[in-house]
Amino acid sequence: GESVGLHLPTLSVQEGDNSIINCAYSNSASDYFIWYKQESGKGPQFIIDIRSNMDKRQGQRVTVLLNKTVKHLSLQIAATQPGDSAVYFCAEKYTGNQFYFGTGTSLTVIP
Amino acid sequence: GAVVSQHPSWVICKSGTSVKIECRSLDFQATTMFWYRQFPKQSLMLMATSNEGSKATYEQGVEKDKFLINHASLTLSTLTVTSAHPEDSSFYICSARDPSGGYEQYFGPGTRLTVT
Repeated sequence: GESVGLHLPTLSVQEGDNSIINCAYSNSASDYFIWYKQESGKGPQFIIDIRSNMDKRQGQRVTVLLNKTVKHLSLQIAATQPGDSAVYFCAEKYTGNQFYFGTGTSLTVIP
Repeated sequence: GAVVSQHPSWVICKSGTSVKIECRSLDFQATTMFWYRQFPKQSLMLMATSNEGSKATYEQGVEKDKFLINHASLTLSTLTVTSAHPEDSSFYICSARDPSGGYEQYFGPGTRLTVT
């Protein structure tokens, strides 16, 4: 079933450092994953996606790693900037076109 | 890029009244839209899948008679919260899938509902 919302874990990093945000997904049959960024009071924005037949995908300043053995995703943000401060969610697809969201992590970048 | 809008962006209503929220895909046709609810400092919870021209598919535990979904055209889905109560106060977000763009969903900006 879908992930149940809990109070968000938080991560604070210094500007310029790398950030690593982790996500445990729920269904071993999930075949597609997306990381979203959500700023306060706004809808989620797409960051990067990865299919289950891959274990790593890189974008601009972001890298997603997938470990299907332990059902784990991570999002790495290089040279974190103040504008990266937001809540980050992973979402998994395992049936039809529906996506189910993970708990989320609140990232705060300290200038 | 694909744009999804929602209207209104925020609404305050009295307990017992009904509220309609609109979700529009502005530059693509969406046969499938999705409705989510998000409580403060929590994740998005999928409520239902809205299918153009047919009945919506609701997630387990979501009351279909309370959250009425209509997807009458390829660019518009509506969510009506009927007989709203304070516990329905939440951030409601829709998304739409562009059939030509793979599985990615494009999210609207959300609607903040407060029931007094």
